[in-house]
Amino acid sequence: DTGVSQDPRHKITKRGQNVTFRCDPISEHNRLYWYRQTLGQGPEFLTYFQNEAQLEKSRLLSDRFSAERPKGSFSTLEIQRTEQGDSAMYLCASSPSSVGGSQETQYFGPGTRLLVL
Amino acid sequence: AQSVTQLDSHVSVSEGTPVLLRCNYSSSYSPSLFWYVQHPNKGLQLLLKYTSAATLVKGINGFEAEFKKSETSFHLTKPSAHMSDAAEYFCVVSVRYNFNKFYFGSGTKLNVKP
Repeated sequence: DTGVSQDPRHKITKRGQNVTFRCDPISEHNRLYWYRQTLGQGPEFLTYFQNEAQLEKSRLLSDRFSAERPKGSFSTLEIQRTEQGDSAMYLCASSPSSVGGSQETQYFGPGTRLLVL
Repeated sequence: AQSVTQLDSHVSVSEGTPVLLRCNYSSSYSPSLFWYVQHPNKGLQLLLKYTSAATLVKGINGFEAEFKKSETSFHLTKPSAHMSDAAEYFCVVSVRYNFNKFYFGSGTKLNVKP
C-alpha cells in the first residue's frame, strides 16, 4: 500500500501524559499537513511542512503541541501534558508540489484517534 | 479569508433517488474546491475537485458537482443513490497563495434508506 499511513491508529492516555503520533506520507510528496477533527466537525488545519520546513502553524497549535519533519519524509506530532480537550482524531495528509502536478489535492491517512481520560 | 458552509448537517434519501448535498464557499482568491467522503472508521477519500478548468466536474461513483461563481456554490449531486453512498461528505476550499491548506465545512451525513 503506497498511501499515507499513521501510527498508532488509536491512543488512550491519561491527562498530563505526553503522546507522539507518526505520519508517513506518500513517498514523492513534498507537502505534509496535520489536521484535527473533533466529533461532529470537519477537520481543522494545524500545521504545514514543505519538505523539512514548517511553514505555517495554526493558532490552534498551542505551545503544548510540536511537530517535526526532520528529513523531509515522515513527520511526528507531539502533545505534551495532554488535556481532555485534546481528545480528537488527528489526520495527516500529503500532496505533491511539482509544477503541473495535482498539488492542490491532499491525500489523507486513516488518522490517529486520541482519547484523554 | 476562506470558509465553507454546508447547508445541511443531515440528508436522508431513498435508494435510487437523486442526491443533493449543498455547499457554499467564501474566498478572497480564485479557489480550488473539493468534495471528500468519509465512511465510518475509514480515511477521507477524494470524490472530485474543481481547479479552474471545467465548471461541471465529474467524480468517482457517479457523483458530480458544478462550480457556480455567481452563487459561490459547489453543490454535489448524484442521479441515483446507492446504499453504499451512506457516509459523511465534506466540502473543502483552498487557495494556492495560502499553501493550499484546506478549509473544511462541518460535513453532511447522508443516510440512504432501502
